[in-house]
Amino acid sequence: AQKITQTQPGMFVQEKEAVTLDCTYDTSDQSYGLFWYKQPSSGEMIFLIYQGSYDEQNATEGRYSLNFQKARKSANLVISASQLGDSAMYFCAMRELNQFYFGTGTSLTVIP
Amino acid sequence: DTGVSQDPRHKITKRGQNVTFRCDPISEHNRLYWYRQTLGQGPEFLTYFQNEAQLEKSRLLSDRFSAERPKGSFSTLEIQRTEQGDSAMYLCASSRTGGREKLFFGSGTQLSVL
Repeated sequence: AQKITQTQPGMFVQEKEAVTLDCTYDTSDQSYGLFWYKQPSSGEMIFLIYQGSYDEQNATEGRYSLNFQKARKSANLVISASQLGDSAMYFCAMRELNQFYFGTGTSLTVIP
Repeated sequence: DTGVSQDPRHKITKRGQNVTFRCDPISEHNRLYWYRQTLGQGPEFLTYFQNEAQLEKSRLLSDRFSAERPKGSFSTLEIQRTEQGDSAMYLCASSRTGGREKLFFGSGTQLSVL
């Protein structure tokens, strides 16, 4: 079974609007971490946001927030007030023990 | 904090040649990971080091691949007798062990095998 599932290969959003990128995960561990990374066309993976499995509050980092629903095993990324520079690939990832697992990514295009 | 550095950024080689990539992690990070990423896919785990010890290797890492991290500092990934299927982006990441461990990536080395 896939550890991380991202079901949206591509998404479009109007500039200044909010967008939600979906991520579900599969683990039987109680302790794990969830991450989102952004990969622009330049190729570098940029860390955006982190949610620990024991964190009771949803993580927020500026315009990024992580909608963590533990019972549903989902960790959706919400980007508010989209900007043209947000156009990139977005990867959801999970740390389980000493391993990091990545999804297949969602390509986000911000339309002016 | 100068970030994770990878060299070279791009490598073009002919099938059958050997190639070596270098990764310099963030200085205070004790873990170093290598990933491979092909077009349209997420990063796939290859191997990781804690300090100088190589603790885990993926089944993806055939015997043509070898990685080292002498003295727990920089790391090298060597591919011998390259094949066209080795063409990919090779990403290095480093981290510091702890409850909220997260990966910091380099810019990657894009390998093209002709």
